[in-house]
Amino acid sequence: NAGVTQTPKFQVLKTGQSMTLQCAQDMNHEYMSWYRQDPGMGLRLIHYSVGAGITDQGEVPNGYNVSRSTTEDFPLRLLSAAPSQTSVYFCASSYSMVGGHEQYFGPGTRLTVT
Amino acid sequence: GIQVEQSPPDLILQEGANSTLRCNFSDSVNNLQWFHQNPWGQLINLFYIPSGTKQNGRLSATTVATERYSLLYISSSQTTDSGVYFCAVEGDYGGSQGNLIFGKGTKLSVKP
Repeated sequence: NAGVTQTPKFQVLKTGQSMTLQCAQDMNHEYMSWYRQDPGMGLRLIHYSVGAGITDQGEVPNGYNVSRSTTEDFPLRLLSAAPSQTSVYFCASSYSMVGGHEQYFGPGTRLTVT
Repeated sequence: GIQVEQSPPDLILQEGANSTLRCNFSDSVNNLQWFHQNPWGQLINLFYIPSGTKQNGRLSATTVATERYSLLYISSSQTTDSGVYFCAVEGDYGGSQGNLIFGKGTKLSVKP
């Protein structure tokens, strides 16, 4: 199993540009999520999905969109990039979250917005 | 929401030394995980431990859910143990499913 994969690894955007961060998992996990990590901080939840067709907002959703058309993929879209979105983005997945389950993280995408 | 506090924020060790990292959380939890973020930024799962004790090689962890804390023990530290150690919890109340709340981490530096 490749686990959780993310592309690209690095990206530089200009203010106002849009882009999609890709996330895929091959473990047949129902639950997927996106976090951001800012310098000196832990991770904060952006959006999550409990299954194909179902998404919801996390702690810091503004400026981001998600959709979940398949179990395997969970892309994160930046609609109009801002310097405040400069961060490292992590995707995670796990089995159903009912009762709590171990989450596994991808390698991250380092995004810089100038 | 749940608050997660980790201590100490920074720790410098000589290779071979032992250490204990602490994680306090403010409410009951469904899930508690320990991660190691290596110098390349990758998050590595160490333990899934909402309660009890687990061991994996030189590392072990204990969570006392009733007292709302968890401890990560590193024995005979090596330079490859350097990085940031995060504790993350998920609340057991409605609407908290899947939302891991992270502490700010303990930055560990192991000197040769």
